[in-house]
Amino acid sequence: GAVVSQHPSRVICKSGTSVKIECRSLDFQATTMFWYRQFPKQSLMLMATSNEGSKATYEQGVEKDKFLINHASLTLSTLTVTSAHPEDSSFYICSATQTGGTDTQYFGPGTRLTVL
Amino acid sequence: GQQLNQSPQSMFIQEGEDVSMNCTSSSIFNTWLWYKQDPGEGPVLLIALYKAGELTSNGRLTAQFGITRKDSFLNISASIPSDVGIYFCAGQMGGGSNYKLTFGKGTLLTVNP
Repeated sequence: GAVVSQHPSRVICKSGTSVKIECRSLDFQATTMFWYRQFPKQSLMLMATSNEGSKATYEQGVEKDKFLINHASLTLSTLTVTSAHPEDSSFYICSATQTGGTDTQYFGPGTRLTVL
Repeated sequence: GQQLNQSPQSMFIQEGEDVSMNCTSSSIFNTWLWYKQDPGEGPVLLIALYKAGELTSNGRLTAQFGITRKDSFLNISASIPSDVGIYFCAGQMGGGSNYKLTFGKGTLLTVNP
């Protein structure tokens, strides 16, 4: 149980384009999902907290207009990187907590974004 | 902000050896978690600790939540090649809307067969 998927697993795009990454909780409902970014050989850094049916809460230094988050259902959150640039190239990982469960976060397999 | 100090940064051991890594914090956390991350994958939860002083095992893994709520250690006994990966500790304030995790910088474990 508690499986989280991400799509796509890898994406390569040209500079200036937008990329959408999906995060799904497959066998549980998730009121809250989180988006992290991980640069090579570094730890996970929280970008934003996504709550179903409301606006996401962004961490300090993360541009909300560049990283658009939509959490339209209890099983799906999307992260759109708008006008991507090479410095946005990173490993993006989502996690989800089970509605009515503990605070434990279950992580997706990650999405490798490369911006040319 | 909150910071977790995780050590060691990396370890090179022989198969069969025991391993120990730890995390300390200047802040008190209500929950400590240990995750393992394989290359190109998301973190996988190994052990979750909810009570100060709690000692929990998961197979060859043992973790303890420090009495002060500011530290935790993870032990791996009789290491095997598939233990290779990056181990992260994470602290969580927990409760209400504050589910946010603060991660340590990770311990890279290499196991020589």
